[in-house]
Amino acid sequence: GAGVSQSPSNKVTEKGKDVELRCDPISGHTALYWYRQSLGQGLEFLIYFQGNSAPDKSGLPSDRFSAERTGGSVSTLTIQRTQQEDSAVYLCASSLAPRFRVNQPQHFGDGTRLSIL
Amino acid sequence: KNEVEQSPQNLTAQEGEFITINCSYSVGISALHWLQQHPGGGIVSLFMLSSGKKKHGRLIATINIQEKHSSLHITASHPRDSAVYICAAGPHSGGGADGLTFGKGTHLIIQP
Repeated sequence: GAGVSQSPSNKVTEKGKDVELRCDPISGHTALYWYRQSLGQGLEFLIYFQGNSAPDKSGLPSDRFSAERTGGSVSTLTIQRTQQEDSAVYLCASSLAPRFRVNQPQHFGDGTRLSIL
Repeated sequence: KNEVEQSPQNLTAQEGEFITINCSYSVGISALHWLQQHPGGGIVSLFMLSSGKKKHGRLIATINIQEKHSSLHITASHPRDSAVYICAAGPHSGGGADGLTFGKGTHLIIQP
C-alpha cells in the first residue's frame, strides 16, 4: 500500500523566502510527526499531531516555524523568512497509535531536502 | 531531557562479520526504536521494543531497561546492510512531546 508521501523531494530557495513542505500520511494513521535532520546531525523532533488534539509544538526551533494538519490527514510545515541554518532534510512520519505502542512503529516518508542559498 | 548516545559512530567490517551497535539513554522511556537510513536517505523502522529481545532475519535487538541500554546485532553481515543505523528513545515519563529523541546514528559499511 501507499506509504508516507512528502513533497517536494528537493527545494532550493533564497534566504528570507517562505517555504511550505507537505506530508501525506498513510491513510488511517492518526499520529503525524515532523522531524529535521541537519547535515552531520541526528534527527530532531519538531512537532506532533494526534487526531484533532492541539499539536505538541515543543520541538519547533523558532516562531518562524509552524505546521498545520487539515482534516486530520495532510500536514504542511511552513518556514517563514528562511535562514541558511534551516537547510536540512525535513522528515515526516505517521503511525496508527496516538502513543507509542510496542507494535505500532512510525512510518517515515523520504523527506524533503531543503537548501537555503 | 533525554540524551541518547550511540556507539560506534562509524564502523567498517568485512562481509560475514558479526556486528554490534550500542545505544544508551538517560531517562526512563516507553520504547526504544532502531531505524535504518539507506544511502538515499529513506528511513525504515527495524524494531520497536520495550523489553527483552526481538529478532527479524539476521537482525537482533536487545534492551536492558535497568541499565538503559540497547544493542542492535547483525549476524552474517552483507554489503547490503551498509547504512546508517539510528537509535531513538521515547517517549519518556514526564516528557511533553510524543516525538522521539534520536541518537546521531552509526554509519556502517560492510565490505565484500
